[in-house]
Amino acid sequence: AQSVTQLDSQVPVFEEAPVELRCNYSSSVSVYLFWYVQYPNQGLQLLLKYLSGSTLVESINGFEAEFNKSQTSFHLRKPSVHISDTAEYFCAVISDTGRRALTFGSGTRLQVQP
Amino acid sequence: EAQVTQNPRYLITVTGKKLTVTCSQNMNHEYMSWYRQDPGLGLRQIYYSMNVEVTDKGDVPEGYKVSRKEKRNFPLILESPSPNQTSLYFCASSLMGQGVYGYTFGSGTRLTVV
Repeated sequence: AQSVTQLDSQVPVFEEAPVELRCNYSSSVSVYLFWYVQYPNQGLQLLLKYLSGSTLVESINGFEAEFNKSQTSFHLRKPSVHISDTAEYFCAVISDTGRRALTFGSGTRLQVQP
Repeated sequence: EAQVTQNPRYLITVTGKKLTVTCSQNMNHEYMSWYRQDPGLGLRQIYYSMNVEVTDKGDVPEGYKVSRKEKRNFPLILESPSPNQTSLYFCASSLMGQGVYGYTFGSGTRLTVV
């Protein structure tokens, strides 16, 4: 079984400030890690993923996440946020065996204020 | 355009009145799945299908049925909806063996049962 914990349900931050959204996971098998973003009244979009190789992965809009196996974490960071980054962010894991279900965390609402 | 299409986007119904939410994908994906999203709980898997005529329960299957008679379609059936099924529902699909690359999600169906 696998589980994902997002430690903050809401993160308010001022525009141009840095932000970190925390994600920890547990699993008895190897997993792959994802961050999804959900803008208001929209579906989920894949933001970035870690499958293998370099532990630091980046998205096209300036977010990055680092896979830390010893701490079982996959925190999401951005050095300078914009108003348009206001959204809900979900961390998720999947294994390539069994029912191949994405297991999601409970989500973190990022609120960027001017 | 590659996509997962859900209908309807919004639905208000009364307790006990059978309803079907449709899901269709045009990417020839073998794997399809339904999730429900509730505040503070993230997304939880309801049912999934690894191919035509192959379906199985996810984490929260009670009160739901699915069928997979064609590869592209995966309808979600609520035979006797109850207010606790009020939620935001997402359909998702992926290629088998490539689920590790993430899923493509539909835009969601917001269901209210009164």
